[in-house]
Amino acid sequence: ELKVEQNPLFLSMQEGKNYTIYCNYSTTSDRLYWYRQDPGKSLESLFVLLSNGAVKQEGRLMASLDTKARLSTLHITAAVHDLSATYFCAVDNTKTSYDKVIFGPGTSLSVIP
Amino acid sequence: NAGVTQTPKFRVLKTGQSMTLLCAQDMNHEYMYWYRQDPGMGLRLIHYSVGEGTTAKGEVPDGYNVSRLKKQNFLLGLESAAPSQTSVYFCASTPGGTFIRFFGPGTRLTVL
Repeated sequence: ELKVEQNPLFLSMQEGKNYTIYCNYSTTSDRLYWYRQDPGKSLESLFVLLSNGAVKQEGRLMASLDTKARLSTLHITAAVHDLSATYFCAVDNTKTSYDKVIFGPGTSLSVIP
Repeated sequence: NAGVTQTPKFRVLKTGQSMTLLCAQDMNHEYMYWYRQDPGMGLRLIHYSVGEGTTAKGEVPDGYNVSRLKKQNFLLGLESAAPSQTSVYFCASTPGGTFIRFFGPGTRLTVL
C-alpha cells in the first residue's frame, strides 16, 4: 500500500531564509505532484515530476525527485510572506493514475516578516 | 473558462438529512474526482469517474454515491448524513496525460 509522508508538518520561518520540505513515499512511483493551498482556498498545482532526477523551478520554489530514495524535496529560497500556505505532495504508482494518487498530510508553512 | 465550479459553497445539515453536491467543469476533461479534506489527513478520494456514465469507488466511498450523466458534471450525494461526514469536499478534474488535478473551490459541509 502506498503511503506518503511529509516533513515537517508545520514550519515557521523568517523572511529571507531558506528551507526544504521533504516528501517520502513507500512504493515505486511514476509521478509526483506538488500542490499549494492557501488558507480557506482550493489546491493549485505547482509541479509535476515525471522521472528520476527531475528538477522543476518556479520563482523561489524548486522541486526535485529521487525515485531511488523515494524522496521529493521542495526547496524554498529567500522566503517571502506570500509563500505562506500549505504544501501537499501527491504520488501515484501506476500508469493509469486516476484512482491511485495518494496525497501527503501537507506541510503548513508560515513565513514571518 | 470558469474551470471547475462547485455548488454549494457552504451547507449545514442535520443528521439523517440528504443532499447533493454539484461539480461542473468546462475544460472537456475526461476524469473527475471527489475528495474530502480533513485536518492533518491530506485529501482522500471518495469516488471518481473516468468518463461520462462511469463511476468507481475511491479510498473512502461509504456513505456517498455519485453520478456522471453528463461529461461536464459530477454529482456527489449523501443519502443520510452523519457527523463523521463533516468535512471540506473538493471536486477535481484532469484531462489525462500527466494527470494534474484541477480543483474546484470546495464545499464546506457541517453535519450536526
